[in-house]
Amino acid sequence: ETGVTQTPRHLVMGMTNKKSLKCEQHLGHNAMYWYKQSAKKPLELMFVYSLEERVENNSVPSRFSPECPNSSHLFLHLHTLQPEDSALYLCASSQDLQGRYGYTFGSGTRLTVV
Amino acid sequence: GENVEQHPSTLSVQEGDSAVIKCTYSDSASNYFPWYKQELGKRPQLIIDIRSNVGEKKDQRIAVTLNKTAKHFSLHITETQPEDSAVYFCAATHFGNEKLTFGTGTRLTIIP
Repeated sequence: ETGVTQTPRHLVMGMTNKKSLKCEQHLGHNAMYWYKQSAKKPLELMFVYSLEERVENNSVPSRFSPECPNSSHLFLHLHTLQPEDSALYLCASSQDLQGRYGYTFGSGTRLTVV
Repeated sequence: GENVEQHPSTLSVQEGDSAVIKCTYSDSASNYFPWYKQELGKRPQLIIDIRSNVGEKKDQRIAVTLNKTAKHFSLHITETQPEDSAVYFCAATHFGNEKLTFGTGTRLTIIP
């Protein structure tokens, strides 16, 4: 484990379901990120949080709702998703917003929307 | 904003040969360029990075070069081995920016 843990690893949900993805880091990092990775757009940035404050929402549909209750935890709440939302969702953290020491990624949640 | 282009999208190399992946960026203010390796089914991992105050950096079989004038940087892998097979992503940012901008990835296959 690299210090960034994501759960669940796999998730299958219907279009009317509500589910949440969880990310946890104990690296003492101050910034956390959600990325969507699909065949069409690898590593597409969704949200950026710094010290629990959202600093960027990269034009993500409102059916994706992030939450950062503290600097160690990041959630992505999902509701009424579409099949095209099926992808690998990666959480990452970095020491600071500039990511000058690189990002540490979690293993991802493989999401399938049916 | 920053735009990073990466080439080629796929690359097959005979084991033992060298592999080169190239990236260009658009924001002249960018000064930090990391490379990530993502093996099949695994998370991206930082393998090497370079800052704009140097032109080349090496770590065993991996090297990265940076040409700030031309705004491009490259990853070089020598004496390739089967375990080098993966998807490689370049990225760029500058201190004061909020995020890394990633390239679209290169799928490297090492042929035994």
